[in-house]
Amino acid sequence: AQTVTQSQPEMSVQEAETVTLSCTYDTSESNYYLFWYKQPPSRQMILVIRQEAYKQQNATENRFSVNFQKAAKSFSLKISDSQLGDTAMYFCAFLRLPFFSGNTGKLIFGQGTTLQVKP
Amino acid sequence: DAGVIQSPRHEVTEMGQEVTLRCKPISGHNSLFWYRQTMMRGLELLIYFNNNVPIDDSGMPEDRFSAKMPNASFSTLKIQPSEPRDSAVYFCASRIQGNTEAFFGQGTRLTVV
Repeated sequence: AQTVTQSQPEMSVQEAETVTLSCTYDTSESNYYLFWYKQPPSRQMILVIRQEAYKQQNATENRFSVNFQKAAKSFSLKISDSQLGDTAMYFCAFLRLPFFSGNTGKLIFGQGTTLQVKP
Repeated sequence: DAGVIQSPRHEVTEMGQEVTLRCKPISGHNSLFWYRQTMMRGLELLIYFNNNVPIDDSGMPEDRFSAKMPNASFSTLKIQPSEPRDSAVYFCASRIQGNTEAFFGQGTRLTVV
């Protein structure tokens, strides 16, 4: 079974600074996706960034980037130039591939990290 | 598209009452998920539908919980009878089968008193 662990329940960062959120996962699979979702106080789950396991290049989306270390099963999220609107809970998630009858394609989430950006 | 629509956004009910949560997935999406979020257990998958058929309900906590998807545009999650420990935020998510990105509704915050 796959598990996702986020060891930092809470973090804070000053506006305009850089912060890194940690995520580790456990799987015996070689083909999968990893995601970071953001959940602001509005409760809406918003996809921030995704990484395909077979791609060595780290994904980037504007101020958000990941450090994907497949051998170490580590998937951290770096937020550059932090903004007040980045204040939210962040979830790391795992999706096993490919989809077939024995794999329903369910997202497995970590416990989340609450990030507060301070002015 | 309006995204995944859940109703109600908030529900307060008394212990023992029946509760029905509703979800309208994004048009064209044929996979639908129900998740429950609590402080203690985080986000847990309750049940997953594919083309309106329940595929994996191993996360449904007990017989008090049931879910249906009578058509491609509507799903319900029912709790009968409800208990205080069912208090949580319930999310519905949908995606196109075979795609990796799931889209979430805004959730229903259920409080059972």
